[in-house]
Parts: sequence; structure tokens; C-alpha cells
Amino acid sequence: DTGVSQNPRHKITKRGQNVTFRCDPISEHNRLYWYRQTLGQGPEFLTYFQNEAQLEKSRLLSDRFSAERPKGSFSTLEIQRTEQGDSAMYLCASSLRTTNEKLFFGSGTQLSVL
Amino acid sequence: DQQVKQNSPSLSVQEGRISILNCDYTNSMFDYFLWYKKYPAEGPTFLISISSIKDKNEDGRFTVFLNKSAKHLSLHIVPSQPGDSAVYFCAATPSNDYKLSFGAGTTVTVRA
Repeated sequence: DTGVSQNPRHKITKRGQNVTFRCDPISEHNRLYWYRQTLGQGPEFLTYFQNEAQLEKSRLLSDRFSAERPKGSFSTLEIQRTEQGDSAMYLCASSLRTTNEKLFFGSGTQLSVL
Repeated sequence: DQQVKQNSPSLSVQEGRISILNCDYTNSMFDYFLWYKKYPAEGPTFLISISSIKDKNEDGRFTVFLNKSAKHLSLHIVPSQPGDSAVYFCAATPSNDYKLSFGAGTTVTVRA
């Protein structure tokens, strides 16, 4: 069990640029989640995959955001035309079941949009 | 709409004493509750959980109490140790759901 891995750890970009983050979940976990955390707040749910299927997207996820999980393994989160308000910590988590199951989080990707 | 609230942003406690962290929720559908601990530059790590069929769950130095009628839970850490200095998040979910709703966190500082 190597844990949930996220890359890059930090990303600095200029407003209007596109960015892509990667998440590698714990290998046997078929459920994968993306959360976003801003300063002074707790993580907020963005989207959820069961295997390769994206089953729910939060209204926080605007059209500029897209997430994929090809083949039900790693996942990518892309933000197009970044805005300063996108600056946040993007956290990935995985789990084996949905009910009463604790999520295992990665260390996150800290995005700064200048 | 903040459904999980941690009204104390910070807590300072002396080493060896008890730390008590509080959490309130508004959604009556929540019936599974978790506490996560977060160190700087790391992701949250699971600490302890409780289902609504219980009012107490204990794991070593950590005990979570649930008061369903008051929609309130608390985390007790006894005795507090310097390594407990971190941000603690309360989270809740309906047991048939997968989305966790988190509070804003409480920063605990354990003084030597």
C-alpha cells in the first residue's frame, strides 16, 4: 500500500493558462474522489468516480473543469483558462466502498494562479 | 451552506492535558461521522469515526462522542501530546452516500 499519490505537489500558473493534475489512487480502490480546499476552509467535494465512470459532479465544478479516469486507474483533473479564484489545494482521495468507508487522501496539489 | 460547523478555529492545550474539539451539524440525514487530522503540506488522514447507532467510540487516546438530539459531536484527546499539533477536521455523510461534508477545521497546538 503506497498510498494515494498526487502530482505535481505545487503548480504556479498565469491566469488564462490550462493546468492538469494527476492522481494515482491506492491500487485496489475502485472509488476515487476529487476535493478542493481553500485557506481556512475544509475540503469541498468536486467529483466522484466509480471505476472509470464519473458518477457525480458538484456544482462547484464549472465548465472549465474536467476530470477523467481512463481504465479506472489513475485520474486527471484539468482546469482550462485558469482564474485567480481557482487557487486552492486540490485533493484526491480513494476508497474501496461507499458506505461507512473512510477516504484515504493524497498530499494534494497546491495551485497558485497569478 | 455550511452543514458541518467547527466554531473554534484554534485550541491551545498543555501537554498531558485533555483536548476537546467540538463539531455541530445541521443535516439530519447525516448518520456517519469522521474526524481527520492534517499536518501542513500533507493530505488529511483518518483518525476516528462513529456511526449514529452509537454515542461513543474510543481508539486509544482518542474518543468521539455523538449527541444526535443536539446534532453535536466532540473529539477528546487524552493525554495530548506535541505530535497532536495539527488541524482537525470534522466530516459527516449519510451512510448511503459517498460525499463527505467537512467543517472548516480546528488548529490544535499542544504546548510543552
